[in-house]
Amino acid sequence: EAQVTQNPRYLITVTGKKLTVTCSQNMNHEYMSWYRQDPGLGLRQIYYSMNVEVTDKGDVPEGYKVSRKEKRNFPLILESPSPNQTSLYFCASSRLKLGNSPLHFGNGTRLTVT
Amino acid sequence: QKEVEQDPGPLSVPEGAIVSLNCTYSNSAFQYFMWYRQYSRKGPELLMYTYSSGNKEDGRFTAQVDKSSKYISLFIRDSQPSDSATYLCAMTGTASKLTFGTGTRLQVTL
Repeated sequence: EAQVTQNPRYLITVTGKKLTVTCSQNMNHEYMSWYRQDPGLGLRQIYYSMNVEVTDKGDVPEGYKVSRKEKRNFPLILESPSPNQTSLYFCASSRLKLGNSPLHFGNGTRLTVT
Repeated sequence: QKEVEQDPGPLSVPEGAIVSLNCTYSNSAFQYFMWYRQYSRKGPELLMYTYSSGNKEDGRFTAQVDKSSKYISLFIRDSQPSDSATYLCAMTGTASKLTFGTGTRLQVTL
């Protein structure tokens, strides 16, 4: 089954404790992206990657890191989480051209930073 | 001002009603327009997409784009309780980024 898999689904952590949210896709997609979803603000792009070793900032990259060492994996790293990073996070992937190719989303990671 | 504006709802309609969901946008560079549906505790999934202006129909769903007015719509005919979800409009002018509306929550009641 074609899918984007995120882990964990739920995560509670404390301020400053480094964490990684994993994302993997099995569709051989070049494009991958991370979004956060907040009430009243919608989905906002954090980082994206057009291919292996190619990453770029989205709209809200501060406090996040990503890496793309393999085509299928695109982990999101929070080096020093803060309470304002409490949010619902989605990983997504697509064939390269976003306009006529759907974004496939994972089922989300709900992060709480206390 | 946000690039994409979408009424958050919630919108509550009886089963069988016609539903109209709308978004306005400000960026003239947007060329591709999409509607995603998001059920509770799930990621969004693509429902419809259109390129440039015009209409597109798929079963009970019709997407309309009016680039001159910077306005897009999604119509749902004969709405069903299974249509209850949050509907997100999204648009892009490039290959790298989709800009989303904040979503409209729809509830279809029996």
